[in-house]
Amino acid sequence: NAGVTQTPKFQVLKTGQSMTLQCAQDMNHNSMYWYRQDPGMGLRLIYYSASEGTTDKGEVPNGYNVSRLNKREFSLRLESAAPSQTSVYFCANMGDGLETQYFGPGTRLLVL
Amino acid sequence: GDSVTQMEGPVTLSEEAFLTINCTYTATGYPSLFWYVQYPGEGLQLLLKATKADDKGSNKGFEATYRKETTSFHLEKGSVQVSDSAVYFCALSDRGGSEKLVFGKGTKLTVNP
Repeated sequence: NAGVTQTPKFQVLKTGQSMTLQCAQDMNHNSMYWYRQDPGMGLRLIYYSASEGTTDKGEVPNGYNVSRLNKREFSLRLESAAPSQTSVYFCANMGDGLETQYFGPGTRLLVL
Repeated sequence: GDSVTQMEGPVTLSEEAFLTINCTYTATGYPSLFWYVQYPGEGLQLLLKATKADDKGSNKGFEATYRKETTSFHLEKGSVQVSDSAVYFCALSDRGGSEKLVFGKGTKLTVNP
C-alpha cells in the first residue's frame, strides 16, 4: 500500500521548459490536491479535483495546468517554467467525509 | 475568507522541555481543526484533529483543545524529544462542501539533546 506517490523526486529545469509532475494514489479517494510549499509561506493550494474529470483552481493557479483523467492519477503541468516556480510540490488526497488529507513525499523543483 | 495564524518560529527547545505552539483561526462556519507535522524531507502527516468545540485531539503525547470562545487550537506537549524536531502546521477544514484545508505558515521546532 503505497498511499500517495509522486514522481520525480527532484527536477532541474531551465526557464521556459515544460514538465509534468505526476501523482498517483492507491487509496481510492475521490479528492486530490496540488500544493506548493515555499519558505515562510506555508502550503498554498494550486489546484484540486473533487472527483474524476473535475478540477478547480486554488489560491495560486497561474502558470499551471492539471489533469485528472482517472480516479487514481492527478498530474500538474508547467507549460513554461519560471524561476518563481522553484518550490517543493506536494500532492495529497482525501476520502469523502474524512476531512484528513494524505500527502505524498513531494517533488523538489528548481527552475534556473 | 477563512484563515489560520500560528506563532512564528523557529522554536528551539531542550529535550524534556514543555512545548506550546499557538494557533488561532478565523472562520465563518464551524470548521474542524488539525495539526499536521512534517519531518525533514517528507510530506505532511496528520498529527491530531478536533471536530467540534471543547474537543481535545491527542496523539504521540501531543494535545490540542478546540476553543471556540478564543478561536484557538494551541498545540502542547509536556516533554519533547529530539525526534519531535519537525515543522508543525495548524489547519482548518472548510465544511462548506469545498473539501479544502486552510493551512497556517508552519512553525519549525528543533529539540536539542
